[in-house]
Amino acid sequence: NAGVTQTPKFQVLKTGQSMTLQCAQDMNHNSMYWYRQDPGMGLRLIYYSASEGTTDKGEVPNGYNVSRLNKREFSLRLESAAPSQTSVYFCASRLAAYQETQYFGPGTRLLVL
Amino acid sequence: DAKTTQPPSMDCAEGRAANLPCNHSTISGNEYVYWYRQIHSQGPQYIIHGLKNNETNEMASLIITEDRKSSTLILPHATLRDTAVYYCIVRVAEETSGSRLTFGEGTQLTVNP
Repeated sequence: NAGVTQTPKFQVLKTGQSMTLQCAQDMNHNSMYWYRQDPGMGLRLIYYSASEGTTDKGEVPNGYNVSRLNKREFSLRLESAAPSQTSVYFCASRLAAYQETQYFGPGTRLLVL
Repeated sequence: DAKTTQPPSMDCAEGRAANLPCNHSTISGNEYVYWYRQIHSQGPQYIIHGLKNNETNEMASLIITEDRKSSTLILPHATLRDTAVYYCIVRVAEETSGSRLTFGEGTQLTVNP
C-alpha cells in the first residue's frame, strides 16, 4: 500500500514549456486534490475531483488543467509554464465523504525559469 | 470554518510529552477538530481528529475541552522525527470538499535531543 504517489519529484522548465504532473492513489479514495505551496505560505487548492469523471476549479486554477483518468489517477497539466508557477505541488486524496481526512503525496518541486 | 489560534513555536525534549494547544472559541456544534503536521519538505500528514470526545490513535491523543473552545494535541513520547509544523483545523464535515484545507500558521514544534 503506497498511499499517494507523485511523479516527478523534481522538474525544471523553461517559460512556455508544458508538462504533466502525475498522481496516483491505491487507497480506493473517491476524491482527489491538487494543491500548490509557495515558500512560507499555506496550501492553495488548484483543482479537485470529487469522484471519478468529475473535476472542479479550486482557489487558483488559472494556467492549469486536470484530468481524472480513472479512480486511481489525477493528473495536473501546465500548458505554458510561467515563473509564477514555480512552487511545490501536492496531490491528496480523501478517505470518505463527510470527513476531511486527506492523505498527501510527497510533492513535486517545480522550478520555471 | 472557525478560526484557530496556535502558538507560533514550541520546544520539547526528546522522550517527553509534547502538548500542543489550539484555541477555537468560535467553533460551532457540527465542526470537527483536525490535526495535521508537515515535516520540512514533505507533504502534510493527517494525525487525528475529533468532535467532542477525546481521541487516541497510534500517533497521538486529542483532548477537547467540554465547551469545545480549545483542544490539545499530545505526542506522548516525542522523538526528533516529530519536529514539524503542526496545524489545527476546524471544519464542518461535508459530503464533497471543494474548498481547500486551511492550514493557517501552525505551531513549529522542535524536539531537542
